[in-house]
Amino acid sequence: EADIYQTPRYLVIGTGKKITLECSQTMGHDKMYWYQQDPGMELHLIHYSYGVNSTEKGDLSSESTVSRIRTEHFPLTLESARPSHTSQYLCASSPGSGVPETQYFGPGTRLLVL
Amino acid sequence: GNSVTQMEGPVTLSEEAFLTINCTYTATGYPSLFWYVQYPGEGLQLLLKATKADDKGSNKGFEATYRKETTSFHLEKGSVQVSDSAVYFCALGGMTTDSWGKLQFGAGTQVVVTP
Repeated sequence: EADIYQTPRYLVIGTGKKITLECSQTMGHDKMYWYQQDPGMELHLIHYSYGVNSTEKGDLSSESTVSRIRTEHFPLTLESARPSHTSQYLCASSPGSGVPETQYFGPGTRLLVL
Repeated sequence: GNSVTQMEGPVTLSEEAFLTINCTYTATGYPSLFWYVQYPGEGLQLLLKATKADDKGSNKGFEATYRKETTSFHLEKGSVQVSDSAVYFCALGGMTTDSWGKLQFGAGTQVVVTP
């Protein structure tokens, strides 16, 4: 079973607040990803990392930022939350080697910005 | 570019019915193909995968065969249970150095199984 954790699971916050969504994995995976999942269920890759000090923007433009200072930790930050940021955010990781690379997902953070 | 198209939901079935969820893809080269499942309130879990043409992935009674000639990876289960109610995602694995590890997901298909 995958060991990837996200906190908080649910967050309700007011407009303009700074928030950080936490993601940690204990599998030693090199690659980590953040997805935004809209109410229609579709997944959009917003950030990914291939290792420490490596971060890239994904296919969907996002106002969020990420950092990767430690292999196991990949937090996502919104400097000033807005109602348009309301969504579910899913974190994932993969080993960084082997074909095919399976991604392992965390349980998600459901964010509501009022 | 790469893309994945899967049938729209919701798909509503009675228990013990046969389930098929269609998935077709567009890609250059030889991608890996995946089916992920998302149960209510949870993240995605890998259901099955296939790495090359004619490979069959199977798990928990679900099967999918990698058909290169029709660029398809349809998911099937012979007899569904209420516990199979979930959203199912078809995904395509990156094949280039730049996209290695990244997945292209379909839009998801919600399946509702009634008793």
